[in-house]
Amino acid sequence: DAKTTQPPSMDCAEGRAANLPCNHSTISGNEYVYWYRQIHSQGPQYIIHGLKNNETNEMASLIITEDRKSSTLILPHATLRDTAVYYCIVRRNYGQNFVFGPGTRLSVLP
Amino acid sequence: GAVVSQHPSWVICKSGTSVKIECRSLDFQATTMFWYRQFPKQSLMLMATSNEGSKATYEQGVEKDKFLINHASLTLSTLTVTSAHPEDSSFYICSAPGLAGGSEQYFGPGTRLTVT
Repeated sequence: DAKTTQPPSMDCAEGRAANLPCNHSTISGNEYVYWYRQIHSQGPQYIIHGLKNNETNEMASLIITEDRKSSTLILPHATLRDTAVYYCIVRRNYGQNFVFGPGTRLSVLP
Repeated sequence: GAVVSQHPSWVICKSGTSVKIECRSLDFQATTMFWYRQFPKQSLMLMATSNEGSKATYEQGVEKDKFLINHASLTLSTLTVTSAHPEDSSFYICSAPGLAGGSEQYFGPGTRLTVT
C-alpha cells in the first residue's frame, strides 16, 4: 500500500472549516483513500473514503485531486469535539489491515 | 453501522500474570480480526491478524508465545498477554472488516493495559 504524508498538527477555530491535507504521490490505480480519526483514548472512527471522485457524507467531504496524488479532508463546521488525530490511509479495497502513519493532530480552538 | 466491542476497557495487573482481552463483533460475523497496539503519543501498530478456525499471523517482532490469539468463533477473538511485564503496558485495539470486500473496518474502543 502507498505511503501517505500529513502535517503533524493543525489548529482550527470553532465553527470554521477544517481542511486536512494528505499527500499520497505513489498511490496506484486500485488503491482507495481512507480517513479515520482517533479521539484521545478511543478506537479509530471511520470518517470517509474514496477512489477518484469527491465524496461527501454527514461527517465530512473528501476532495481527491485529478492525478490522485493528494487529497483533502474537509470538516465543514469544526466543533470542539472534532479535536482528534486524523489519519489518511491508502489501501486496496479488501479486508486487509490498515497501516497507520502518525496522522495530523487537529486542535479545534474556541 | 457495525459495532465492535472490547472487554475489559481497562485492566491493571501485576508483573508475571496473564491478561485476556476479548474482541467481539456485535452485529456481524468476522472471519478475520486485527489486533493493534498503541503506545503513548504513537500511532497504531499492527500486532497480528486473527483468523477464525486457524492460527493467527503475527507481525515481525511480535512474540506469538507471549501474545496468544484465539479466534474460536465468527464473533469473538481473544488476545492473552502472558507473563505480562511493565513494557507491555499499552492501549490494545482490535478491528474487523465489515461487509464482504472489507470496504470499511470497524474498530473496538480499545483496552488500556497497565502492568505494575
